[in-house]
Amino acid sequence: DSGVTQTPKHLITATGQRVTLRCSPRSGDLSVYWYQQSLDQGLQFLIQYYNGEERAKGNILERFSAQQFPDLHSELNLSSLELGDSALYFCASSVVPDLGGDNEQFFGPGTRLTVL
Amino acid sequence: AQKVTQAQTEISVVEKEDVTLDCVYETRDTTYYLFWYKQPPSGELVFLIRRNSFDEQNEISGRYSWNFQKSTSSFNFTITASQVVDSAVYFCALSEPTGANSKLTFGKGITLSVRP
Repeated sequence: DSGVTQTPKHLITATGQRVTLRCSPRSGDLSVYWYQQSLDQGLQFLIQYYNGEERAKGNILERFSAQQFPDLHSELNLSSLELGDSALYFCASSVVPDLGGDNEQFFGPGTRLTVL
Repeated sequence: AQKVTQAQTEISVVEKEDVTLDCVYETRDTTYYLFWYKQPPSGELVFLIRRNSFDEQNEISGRYSWNFQKSTSSFNFTITASQVVDSAVYFCALSEPTGANSKLTFGKGITLSVRP
């Protein structure tokens, strides 16, 4: 058990709908990362938040957004869903590394999203 | 831009055979970190090892060993005396930490099947 929790575990929805995925980081971790794992794209970094602020963006679609709340949990919002958004969405957390320091990311169990 | 290449896509071995999973990376930074993660059929991502760019010592952990060679930009993973429980997808990943921004770039993964 990594200490990172994600809900829900599975989500089935229809095209055009909007869903919210939730992540609670490990106790003490200030950084939260979102990754998407799909058959065609593999594991891709989407976005990172650090202590409530957006820190880095990867290949995240404009239809997707995220935020990190004061209690450090994070939510990934996916809207106008398409069939191709079906994927496993992982959240990871890490302690804040010193400049040039270490970074070990602990992954949650993932949310499997199926868009029908 | 950073890139991780796992040229092998699928490997099948018989139990007790040794197997090496290859990983080649590209980065322009002198400070970076390399990782291996295991994804069993249940889907979670399990951290196996982290190596920083200044430490080229090989590492052994039980049946697992890692060979890091900066000269060839490779970070290969060997499983000795493989077991059925080693069947999983294995990902190599790279991060170039800059302050609190240290996203992981993953390779496409290698599916390892160990037959009894």
